[in-house]
Amino acid sequence: DAGVIQSPRHEVTEMGQEVTLRCKPISGHNSLFWYRQTMMRGLELLIYFNNNVPIDDSGMPEDRFSAKMPNASFSTLKIQPSEPRDSAVYFCAIPKQQGSWGYTFGSGTRLTVV
Amino acid sequence: SQQGEEDPQALSIQEGENATMNCSYKTSINNLQWYRQNSGRGLVHLILIRSNEREKHSGRLRVTLDTSKKSSSLLITASRAADTASYFCATALPSGNTPLVFGKGTRLSVIA
Repeated sequence: DAGVIQSPRHEVTEMGQEVTLRCKPISGHNSLFWYRQTMMRGLELLIYFNNNVPIDDSGMPEDRFSAKMPNASFSTLKIQPSEPRDSAVYFCAIPKQQGSWGYTFGSGTRLTVV
Repeated sequence: SQQGEEDPQALSIQEGENATMNCSYKTSINNLQWYRQNSGRGLVHLILIRSNEREKHSGRLRVTLDTSKKSSSLLITASRAADTASYFCATALPSGNTPLVFGKGTRLSVIA
């Protein structure tokens, strides 16, 4: 299975600061998914890309969130300005292989906004 | 909103016992998948069962699917301390090009 590298693993930032989370599939994939995990809401889909194009961003909480996938091997999720309620673990996932229904997840970025 | 809901929310058993987790969902599906998440890690895909299948095995894992009841169960036999993790079900809609929808998970603790 292809792996997914996320960076940073942990991020602590002050309210109002810009935060950029990164996702790098080891093998390029046309589909990529950003999820957010909290105790209260579980795992929520934020946005997903097919062929590097954003298909559905209805899960993005508000305009403070934006995501890009400039190529098949890289994606970013940006929060500007960040707020304490954005504190969560953010995961990036890709299909296990082309045409696969299952996903491979990165290890996540734990974001704390103080 | 969550498509899948796991039950129970938490489960604690002794090593060697079997662990059963249930998942209920709301709409028609193409398949249902189970994932495991160890503390501080990403989710790991365990097993997939298609809507036309009723039961599937993989090692110590047994998954059942009842589409008439819109429910699935994950059985882990002869549990080990290393099975301690959160387990999530995820559903794939028939349309195929939509992302997986995850439940909130069951936290399993296996006590040695």
